[in-house]
Amino acid sequence: QKEVEQNSGPLSVPEGAIASLNCTYSDRGSQSFFWYRQYSGKSPELIMFIYSNGDKEDGRFTAQLNKASQYVSLLIRDSQPSDSATYLCAVIPQGGKLIFGQGTELSVKP
Amino acid sequence: GAGVSQSPSNKVTEKGKDVELRCDPISGHTALYWYRQSLGQGLEFLIYFQGNSAPDKSGLPSDRFSAERTGGSVSTLTIQRTQQEDSAVYLCASSRTDFYEQYFGPGTRLTVT
Repeated sequence: QKEVEQNSGPLSVPEGAIASLNCTYSDRGSQSFFWYRQYSGKSPELIMFIYSNGDKEDGRFTAQLNKASQYVSLLIRDSQPSDSATYLCAVIPQGGKLIFGQGTELSVKP
Repeated sequence: GAGVSQSPSNKVTEKGKDVELRCDPISGHTALYWYRQSLGQGLEFLIYFQGNSAPDKSGLPSDRFSAERTGGSVSTLTIQRTQQEDSAVYLCASSRTDFYEQYFGPGTRLTVT
C-alpha cells in the first residue's frame, strides 16, 4: 500500500467552479500535511500546510484535514485556467520524513 | 530571503561521463533533500541530510549515485558513469528541520546522450 495516495487525474473543471483534490495517507500518526503546486516544467511550490483537524483557508484555497479518516483535501474556489497544474499532496509520518503522493493533474477549462 | 539555488540549470553529457550537480539551500535550513523527476512522473526520493546525522541514502538507485553535504550547507550530487536512464530533472529541497515544509530549488535538467 502506498503511503500517500492521490488520483492521478486529469481532473477537469470549468472556469469558476470549485476544484476538489483528495489525498489519503496510511500512517495514522502523521502530524503534518502539505499541498504543493507544480506547473509543467517547473519545480513544486508550497501552497498550503495544515496540522490540525478541520479547515484552513488561504484566499481561494482551503485545505481540509480529517485525521480519523486519514484524509486531506484541497479545495480551489473560483478555479482559473492559471490553476491548471499538478497538485502534490505531502505528509510527514510519525518519526519520518516528508513523503509525496504521485500528484493529481488539474485542468481548468475556460 | 534567497531561496534554494541549483546549478547548472541544464546539463547535457555523454553516456559514461561523470556529472556533479550542486544545491545551495536556504540559509539556516538544516535538512536537505534530493529528488529525481522523470518526464511526466512523480518525485523520486534520492537522499536526505539532516544536520550532522548520517544521511538517509535509501533512495539512491545504484552505487553510481552519491552525495555529500559540506559544512552543513551546500550539497553536491554526483552521478558516475551516466546512463541514458539517468536523464531527468534533479530537484533539491531544504527545510528548517525534517518536521517542516520543504522548499524546492528550480532543478537541474540532466540529459544523457
